[in-house]
Amino acid sequence: DTAVSQTPKYLVTQMGNDKSIKCEQNLGHDTMYWYKQDSKKFLKIMFSYNNKELIINETVPNRFSPKSPDKAHLNLHINSLELGDSAVYFCASSQDGAPLGNEQFFGPGTRLTVL
Amino acid sequence: AQTVTQSQPEMSVQEAETVTLSCTYDTSESDYYLFWYKQPPSRQMILVIRQEAYKQQNATENRFSVNFQKAAKSFSLKISDSQLGDAAMYFCAYRSAWAGNMLTFGGGTRLMVKP
Repeated sequence: DTAVSQTPKYLVTQMGNDKSIKCEQNLGHDTMYWYKQDSKKFLKIMFSYNNKELIINETVPNRFSPKSPDKAHLNLHINSLELGDSAVYFCASSQDGAPLGNEQFFGPGTRLTVL
Repeated sequence: AQTVTQSQPEMSVQEAETVTLSCTYDTSESDYYLFWYKQPPSRQMILVIRQEAYKQQNATENRFSVNFQKAAKSFSLKISDSQLGDAAMYFCAYRSAWAGNMLTFGGGTRLMVKP
């Protein structure tokens, strides 16, 4: 059973479109994240979310918005897509307060290509 | 804000030999966690090893071990008896013990293993 899943794995779309990437975790974790990996492989946090708090990286444009229908899901909505949004987007989850450094489990990533 | 630096964009090692990947970080905090993640061509992020800053003993996981030097803010990864399957991008990551669970990643090191 997949612990953290993302759909779709690949997404190709035109500039200006609005798209969503879905993330689901079946680990019972209470905190979920979105990371962006750019073409140079650099990974950067975009959002951290649990039922208490949403933490937004201040460098993330407001065209990006996380939406959590329940504790097991954190979807990423992107409006007015731009060429620079092309990247691999990773969802992750962890259990807040767990021992051993709150290991984060990552999804397989979604490669977004904006044409 | 914390920063993580991996000064070696690429490294290569002969199969069965030992290689060390470097990582330095900058923080004013005294309590934190450090991680090494592996990203093979499949794109999946895999946790290799973790270290709690309050522990003086270096973490080990089978062929993987770290050299944690807290005063120098250094956290290197040693891979012994390198195998072809070790070829991947390796990312060093930092997580604060207090200010949220988000990971701050270094720029990554691409490890090539020669048969």
